[in-house]
Amino acid sequence: SQELEQSPQSLIVQEGKNLTINCTSSKTLYGLYWYKQKYGEGLIFLMMLQKGGEEKSHEKITAKLDEKKQQSSLHITASQPSHAGIYLCGADRRGAQKLVFGQGTRLTINP
Amino acid sequence: DVKVTQSSRYLVKRTGEKVFLECVQDMDHENMFWYRQDPGLGLRLIYFSYDVKMKEKGDIPEGYSVSREKKERFSLILESASTNQTSMYLCASCGSGARADTQYFGPGTRLTVL
Repeated sequence: SQELEQSPQSLIVQEGKNLTINCTSSKTLYGLYWYKQKYGEGLIFLMMLQKGGEEKSHEKITAKLDEKKQQSSLHITASQPSHAGIYLCGADRRGAQKLVFGQGTRLTINP
Repeated sequence: DVKVTQSSRYLVKRTGEKVFLECVQDMDHENMFWYRQDPGLGLRLIYFSYDVKMKEKGDIPEGYSVSREKKERFSLILESASTNQTSMYLCASCGSGARADTQYFGPGTRLTVL
């Protein structure tokens, strides 16, 4: 089983709609990273969260880490075609920056 | 900007061949990582290195080895490629201590073993 579970695994939304991707762990997260990947390419760093209750935003993307530091959500407002891709959450396993990743969420934006 | 480059974007090899995947970073990062990415499984850590000539096994090291002779270069070696090693391979690097932030990823190498 995955240490990090992402849901949904796949998401299709109409352009302009809002959406949320979740990342859940059974263990306390010491650092939670969100990345975006365009098909067949490397990962692009979006945001990092460390403190319980922390929330960060960049343009139309907001990420939150819950108080217990076991769940994070990524919310996109007024989605655009440029938001399409695979979103991955990664968690710090303490020490040497070793990250464990969720299985990814494939986001498709329909015009 | 941090740049992590990988030697090939696409590679096709035959079963039993020895395969070298090269990764170079230009940010003087101490830590370097090799992952493979498969549908439904996300990224899984194969090996990582926290210094020149230092290496540690990740979650799935079987069938792989690595080499780090210079700080900027981290190589992944498939001694005898097998079809179950067909995958997307991603290299990453990051700083340590006060310079530790996110991992920076290369563009990936899609390896097909026939």
